[in-house]
Amino acid sequence: DVKVTQSSRYLVKRTGEKVFLECVQDMDHENMFWYRQDPGLGLRLIYFSYDVKMKEKGDIPEGYSVSREKKERFSLILESASTNQTSMYLCASSFTRVGEKLFFGSGTQLSVL
Amino acid sequence: DAKTTQPPSMDCAEGRAANLPCNHSTISGNEYVYWYRQIHSQGPQYIIHGLKNNETNEMASLIITEDRKSSTLILPHATLRDTAVYYCIVRRTGNQFYFGTGTSLTVIP
Repeated sequence: DVKVTQSSRYLVKRTGEKVFLECVQDMDHENMFWYRQDPGLGLRLIYFSYDVKMKEKGDIPEGYSVSREKKERFSLILESASTNQTSMYLCASSFTRVGEKLFFGSGTQLSVL
Repeated sequence: DAKTTQPPSMDCAEGRAANLPCNHSTISGNEYVYWYRQIHSQGPQYIIHGLKNNETNEMASLIITEDRKSSTLILPHATLRDTAVYYCIVRRTGNQFYFGTGTSLTVIP
């Protein structure tokens, strides 16, 4: 079975802290994604990566950056956390081939105080 | 880029078929339709996907209209464990998947 593993299930940080959310997949997928999920807004794409060291902005990239140094790992970075970044963060991965599906991690609930 | 529209909520009696509709009127010819569901506080789980033809697997059936502008996910015998938010998704250009706000399905005993 495909595994997408997010390093933390729950995280509490203070305003202004630098926050790293880590995601690892074990299926050699080319694509990796970071979404955030807020009540009433569904899942919104923050960033995605289609190859090592490659990244593309999603719909809401402001306040975030990403890093993909190895194919299996995709990190989301909050340079200076703010309270409006309190949210559920979901990592996903997929192959590039048309018709391939997304596999999700179980999510990280981040609270910024 | 294709977008999806789903009703915000639906109820279904336990043991009955749940039919969840989705409109994707701007879908392109080579874009697949995917369905996922999310149980509270978990990551979305894949259910089924299709391009043109109807599809069936052990979880559900997917009916896509001939013009591909809408589809219906069918859970043939809904159980309480099927209570979840269901997302209809199309794959945007550049390998992105567009998630709408989904349909919250409540299965009633």
